[in-house]
Amino acid sequence: QVQLQESGPGLVKPSETLSLTCTVSGGSISSYYWSWIRQPPGKGLEWIGYVYNSGSTNYNPSLKSRVTISGDTSKNQFSLKLTSVTAADTAVYYCARGPPGTPGRFDPWGQGTLVTVSS
Amino acid sequence: AIRMTQSPSSFSASTGDRVTITCRASQGISSYFAWYQQKPGKAPKLLIYGASTLQSGVPSRFSGSGSGTDFTLTISCLQSEDFATYYCQQYSGYPYTFGQGTKLEIK
Repeated sequence: QVQLQESGPGLVKPSETLSLTCTVSGGSISSYYWSWIRQPPGKGLEWIGYVYNSGSTNYNPSLKSRVTISGDTSKNQFSLKLTSVTAADTAVYYCARGPPGTPGRFDPWGQGTLVTVSS
Repeated sequence: AIRMTQSPSSFSASTGDRVTITCRASQGISSYFAWYQQKPGKAPKLLIYGASTLQSGVPSRFSGSGSGTDFTLTISCLQSEDFATYYCQQYSGYPYTFGQGTKLEIK
């Protein structure tokens, strides 16, 4: 059974770069789509983007200028970098898997990690 | 971006009730549509995809219907563990987008 676990700093200063990693266990990251999704406290869900086969990516236009998602098959991990963060980027960040053919069908999800942007 | 609008935003119901939540897409999305359940402090859980296909392990009291722009989630007999927030989502076009959520509370 595939399991996902997010990791990274819980506090990031304004204007700095948010960096998170999702470690996948119980299955290979190859041949699946791996997404990042975030949820500001008390609010709804926003898809950030995905990486496929550690190379092909697709990003939400609202964040595209600041986002990089990459994969590392040797470590069975994928990562999110979000630059020039502000308080508006404070959220719980989830990683999730999408199957071949329907990358937007998210299952399973990681437990999520809260990232707070504050000085 | 395709806008997803859920109704109601919240409502109260009792154990054993039959409840329906609706979601409307701002443009046609065929059946590229999913429902998720989220409990406080937990990640969303996929319930239904393809508008009407039940994810493995999800109880049969959950069902989904619709195509194009209008979709529904029905819970046939509410159980205590069903009180949660439900989100709809389209995966027809980029960016993938979610509804604002429907919070189902105990009456």
